[in-house]
Amino acid sequence: AQSVAQPEDQVNVAEGNPLTVKCTYSVSGNPYLFWYVQYPNRGLQFLLKYITGDNLVKGSYGFEAEFNKSQTSFHLKKPSALVSDSALYFCAVRPRNSGNTPLVFGKGTRLSVIA
Amino acid sequence: DAGVIQSPRHEVTEMGQEVTLRCKPISGHDYLFWYRQTMMRGLELLIYFNNNVPIDDSGMPEDRFSAKMPNASFSTLKIQPSEPRDSAVYFCASSLGGQVKNIQYFGAGTRLSVL
Repeated sequence: AQSVAQPEDQVNVAEGNPLTVKCTYSVSGNPYLFWYVQYPNRGLQFLLKYITGDNLVKGSYGFEAEFNKSQTSFHLKKPSALVSDSALYFCAVRPRNSGNTPLVFGKGTRLSVIA
Repeated sequence: DAGVIQSPRHEVTEMGQEVTLRCKPISGHDYLFWYRQTMMRGLELLIYFNNNVPIDDSGMPEDRFSAKMPNASFSTLKIQPSEPRDSAVYFCASSLGGQVKNIQYFGAGTRLSVL
């Protein structure tokens, strides 16, 4: 069965510093990988996805993520954090040949960017 | 499009009462998902539909929970009778299946408090 691990419940970073939110996955075969963000009192919002091709994926709001097959990771990164990036971030996975089974979400990582 | 619309945004009820949560998916989307989010358990998939047909309800916690999708533009999640442990934020999401790589679009959620 597929699974996603977000090893950090909380990440704190100073404004202007680079940020990384970690995600590792376990899935049979090649995955589709996603990052979603949840701002307070809002639903989850799509950030970016890896389907195929370049391992570095660029998404909304200056975020990017790198697919690393050997390490089964898909860490979310941003070169310079903003206070407005403070939110809950979810990594999600879906096997490539699984038909239309739903995404499997991680437990989420709360990012706090401190001014 | 207005996105996924959920109502009500907030619901406060007393233990034993029936609660009905409503969702209008994005027009043209053929998948609909119901999730529950709590601090303790994170984001849990309760049930999902494809073309109005329930595909997997294994995440529904118990028989007190039921979900319906009478047509492509409306779904309900009902809890009867409600219990304090049902207090959570309930999200509805929709997506377009097929070859589109399953970006799920979430509603703003219904915050349920059962007293």
